[in-house]
Amino acid sequence: ETGVTQTPRHLVMGMTNKKSLKCEQHLGHNAMYWYKQSAKKPLELMFVYNFKEQTENNSVPSRFSPECPNSSHLFLHLHTLQPEDSALYLCASSQDSYADEAFFGQGTRLTVV
Amino acid sequence: AQTVTQSQPEMSVQEAETVTLSCTYDTSESDYYLFWYKQPPSRQMILVIRQEAYKQQNATENRFSVNFQKAAKSFSLKISDSQLGDAAMYFCAYRSARDGGSNYKLTFGKGTLLTVNP
Repeated sequence: ETGVTQTPRHLVMGMTNKKSLKCEQHLGHNAMYWYKQSAKKPLELMFVYNFKEQTENNSVPSRFSPECPNSSHLFLHLHTLQPEDSALYLCASSQDSYADEAFFGQGTRLTVV
Repeated sequence: AQTVTQSQPEMSVQEAETVTLSCTYDTSESDYYLFWYKQPPSRQMILVIRQEAYKQQNATENRFSVNFQKAAKSFSLKISDSQLGDAAMYFCAYRSARDGGSNYKLTFGKGTLLTVNP
């Protein structure tokens, strides 16, 4: 257990559904991240939040909408997804700009049908 | 942009033997961090070992050690006395040492699936 908790662990949703992924950390970290892990591809960074401010959006389609209400929580709101969005979504956190280690959650396995 | 390449999609090793996983990267920066992460079937990415680019000495963590060749931009992971619990997907990752913004991000390779045979 790394201190980063993601819920749900598994999610199946239709293309017209709206759902949200949740990430929570109580490590006192100031930076949080969403990564997408697809089969046979490197992990893709989606979003970076630093002190609750979004510092990077890596050309992610607008059907993915992040939210960071405080430094301990990060959400990924999903709507009108496509089957190719099926993947493992990993949340991570790190201390700040002087930290070099990211701690990961166990991910949410998302299937879009 | 930085890239990380892991040329071995799969590797296998006999229990108690030694295995080396390869990683190369491309960057124009002189200061950065390199990491090896392990992802077991539980899916949680776990840091195995890290290396600061300004340090010439290779990092070591118990049975895990790296061979960092900065000029060659190579960063291999050696696992000694392999154990069944070492079976996992291993990812090499790069992070800039520059402060601020998107420099916090990790750039990952595609991973190497390590099988440990009893």
